[in-house]
Amino acid sequence: AQTVTQSQPEMSVQEAETVTLSCTYDTSESDYYLFWYKQPPSRQMILVIRQEAYKQQNATENRFSVNFQKAAKSFSLKISDSQLGDAAMYFCALKLNTGTASKLTFGTGTRLQVTL
Amino acid sequence: NAGVTQTPKFRVLKTGQSMTLLCAQDMNHEYMYWYRQDPGMGLRLIHYSVGEGTTAKGEVPDGYNVSRLKKQNFLLGLESAAPSQTSVYFCASSRTYNEQFFGPGTRLTVL
Repeated sequence: AQTVTQSQPEMSVQEAETVTLSCTYDTSESDYYLFWYKQPPSRQMILVIRQEAYKQQNATENRFSVNFQKAAKSFSLKISDSQLGDAAMYFCALKLNTGTASKLTFGTGTRLQVTL
Repeated sequence: NAGVTQTPKFRVLKTGQSMTLLCAQDMNHEYMYWYRQDPGMGLRLIHYSVGEGTTAKGEVPDGYNVSRLKKQNFLLGLESAAPSQTSVYFCASSRTYNEQFFGPGTRLTVL
């Protein structure tokens, strides 16, 4: 079975600063995807960024980037130039690329506060 | 393009009552999923479907049933609601191995 662990229940960052959210995972498979989802107070789950395990290059989406360490099974999210709108719950998720189903395994989330 | 929609957005039930949550997607996705989200926990998969007419159990299927009679719809049923089923329910859809798109969620309270 796969597991995803987010060890930081809450994080805080000042506006315009940089923050890194941690995620570790465990799987015996070698072919998988990793995702970061954002859940603002509206409850809507929004995809922030994804990483394919076979790609060594770290994914980047504007102010969001990841540090993917496959050997260490670590997948952290870095948010640069933090904005008030970044305040939300952030979930790390793992999806195996095997079989016919495309199921996501989620971590417990990190609540990010952005202060002025 | 509405994406993934869920009906209703909120519902309060009494123990033992039944109800059906409706999920609809207009993206022609093959895969659809039902998750529940509880405080302090990530989303957990209840049931999923890999195509019209197919369903399969996820991580926490007990007490729920699902049906996928049409490709665009995925229904989640509670035959006899229990307080332990108080949760926020999310539906999602995906095109095979691509990322999942989520609906806005349904907050269900069982008294």
